[in-house]
Amino acid sequence: NAGVTQTPKFRILKIGQSMTLQCTQDMNHNYMYWYRQDPGMGLKLIYYSVGAGITDKGEVPNGYNVSRSTTEDFPLRLELAAPSQTSVYFCASTPRGDTGELFFGEGSRLTVL
Amino acid sequence: GENVEQHPSTLSVQEGDSAVIKCTYSDSASNYFPWYKQELGKGPQLIIDIRSNVGEKKDQRIAVTLNKTAKHFSLHITETQPEDSAVYFCAASITPGTYKYIFGTGTRLKVLA
Repeated sequence: NAGVTQTPKFRILKIGQSMTLQCTQDMNHNYMYWYRQDPGMGLKLIYYSVGAGITDKGEVPNGYNVSRSTTEDFPLRLELAAPSQTSVYFCASTPRGDTGELFFGEGSRLTVL
Repeated sequence: GENVEQHPSTLSVQEGDSAVIKCTYSDSASNYFPWYKQELGKGPQLIIDIRSNVGEKKDQRIAVTLNKTAKHFSLHITETQPEDSAVYFCAASITPGTYKYIFGTGTRLKVLA
């Protein structure tokens, strides 16, 4: 069982470039999340989804977009990358969004120069 | 909205000693409090959780306590071992009805052999 898979693991972008962080899970979880982790700042929620076709903003959504066309996939799109988006990004999923255990991917480290 | 504060940010203990990490939350409606452990280069993993109808929960060397009146909850690790070295995050959530966990800023625990 692969769990939550994120690609790429590392990426360097130039200011103004765009890219998509991929996230897929094979556990048939309805709820999926994108977090960013900055040093000393914990995990901040960017966007989340409670099912295919449904997405909503989290704490820090500016500069990002998401889509959820299937249960398995929840890609995160960065448009016009900025240095402030340098971070480690984690995708997570849970079968239940209210009290369920979050299953995290291994993270994607993004650097914007 | 909910705010979770976590202390200390770093903690060093001798192997075999106990470690305590404390969190406070602001929203009295929060009723679910998980703790996650993040090892180097990995995504966070759930180690223990507690719901607001319980004051304490134990799992082998790990315990969590909750004081709803003071809006405090704490993680206790006894007989620490080198493999306990990691970053620990607390979180708070309101269930049911929301799907978003608010995380603390993390505690880096070092267990010295």
